[in-house]
Amino acid sequence: QKEVEQDPGPLSVPEGAIVSLNCTYSNSAFQYFMWYRQYSRKGPELLMYTYSSGNKEDGRFTAQVDKSSKYISLFIRDSQPSDSATYLCAMKYNEKLTFGTGTRLTIIP
Amino acid sequence: ETGVTQTPRHLVMGMTNKKSLKCEQHLGHNAMYWYKQSAKKPLELMFVYNFKEQTENNSVPSRFSPECPNSSHLFLHLHTLQPEDSALYLCASSLGSGLYNEQFFGPGTRLTVL
Repeated sequence: QKEVEQDPGPLSVPEGAIVSLNCTYSNSAFQYFMWYRQYSRKGPELLMYTYSSGNKEDGRFTAQVDKSSKYISLFIRDSQPSDSATYLCAMKYNEKLTFGTGTRLTIIP
Repeated sequence: ETGVTQTPRHLVMGMTNKKSLKCEQHLGHNAMYWYKQSAKKPLELMFVYNFKEQTENNSVPSRFSPECPNSSHLFLHLHTLQPEDSALYLCASSLGSGLYNEQFFGPGTRLTVL
């Protein structure tokens, strides 16, 4: 079983829709949870991070962590074509950073 | 230049060639990393350097040889690669290697091995 599972997609939604991206994990030692965004021909950039269960909001983005279910989500409200990218979940304990496979998202104008 | 830069951006090489990838960070960071990104696979950590010292080698074949002459520069020397080594090679840096240290990534080198 992979430590981190993420549906690779691709996922296509119309502009303005709410997008839900998800990851599950098996290692309960993970303490720090992140979402990276990777545009085509670019490296990943950190989008959001959290280290506790619950929700964290930043503009149109909400990161959600449920440690009891070992499940994290990223919600994008009022999605824009500029949100089209690959979204990678990542988790860390101590110094070890583990990534999901990434979900390729396309927002259709 | 700002952030993390990588050269070349694209590289095509034969299995008998020797080439090097270069990474430079302009962020004053002390830790640098090499990752391999293949289609439909998670990023695979290859090597970690802290203050120029290698602190992690994630069972990487010896045909990949890293070099870190100082905290700002990282190289990946390649020789006798295999077609399955074709991938995007990403360099990253962070202030430290602890739990809350954000890693900043370069744009990557797209490597094709013929």
